[in-house]
Amino acid sequence: NAGVTQTPKFQVLKTGQSMTLQCAQDMNHNSMYWYRQDPGMGLRLIYYSASEGTTDKGEVPNGYNVSRLNKREFSLRLESAAPSQTSVYFCASALGGISNQPQHFGDGTRLSIL
Amino acid sequence: GESVGLHLPTLSVQEGDNSIINCAYSNSASDYFIWYKQESGKGPQFIIDIRSNMDKRQGQRVTVLLNKTVKHLSLQIAATQPGDSAVYFCAENNGGNQFYFGTGTSLTVIP
Repeated sequence: NAGVTQTPKFQVLKTGQSMTLQCAQDMNHNSMYWYRQDPGMGLRLIYYSASEGTTDKGEVPNGYNVSRLNKREFSLRLESAAPSQTSVYFCASALGGISNQPQHFGDGTRLSIL
Repeated sequence: GESVGLHLPTLSVQEGDNSIINCAYSNSASDYFIWYKQESGKGPQFIIDIRSNMDKRQGQRVTVLLNKTVKHLSLQIAATQPGDSAVYFCAENNGGNQFYFGTGTSLTVIP
């Protein structure tokens, strides 16, 4: 049982390059989330998808776009990477709404922008 | 906005002792809380959750206590083992569409 799978695990980009981070879950969960984790700060929500076909902004959406491709997959795109987007990115999923369900996380994508 | 914090950034305990990790939150409307464990290079792993209609919940070697009066949450780990070494953080939700996460306490277990 893989749970939440993120690819790639590591990536280095140059400023201005674009990239898509992939996330897939095999738990038949309805909601999916993208977070970033920076030193000294808690996880911050970038975007989420409450159900297939819907996406909404979180706390820090600027510079990102997302696509809920189907129930399993939720991708995060950086159109023009900036050094401030250097971070560890985590994807998570939950069976229902997060007001009453724990989220399950992938192992992250470590992204460096030079 | 939300503020979720931890009292201590680091905690060292002897193997076999009990560990207590604390978390304060600021939103009195928060009604669902989760403790996560994060090992180096890994994603957060769910440990235990508690809802605001409870004061205490127990799992395997872990207990979460919720004091809504002072907006305080704690995680107790019994008979701490080397495998418990990790960063622990709390998350809170007020019925909305996102969790607010604390910055974490790094627990080191000394053999």
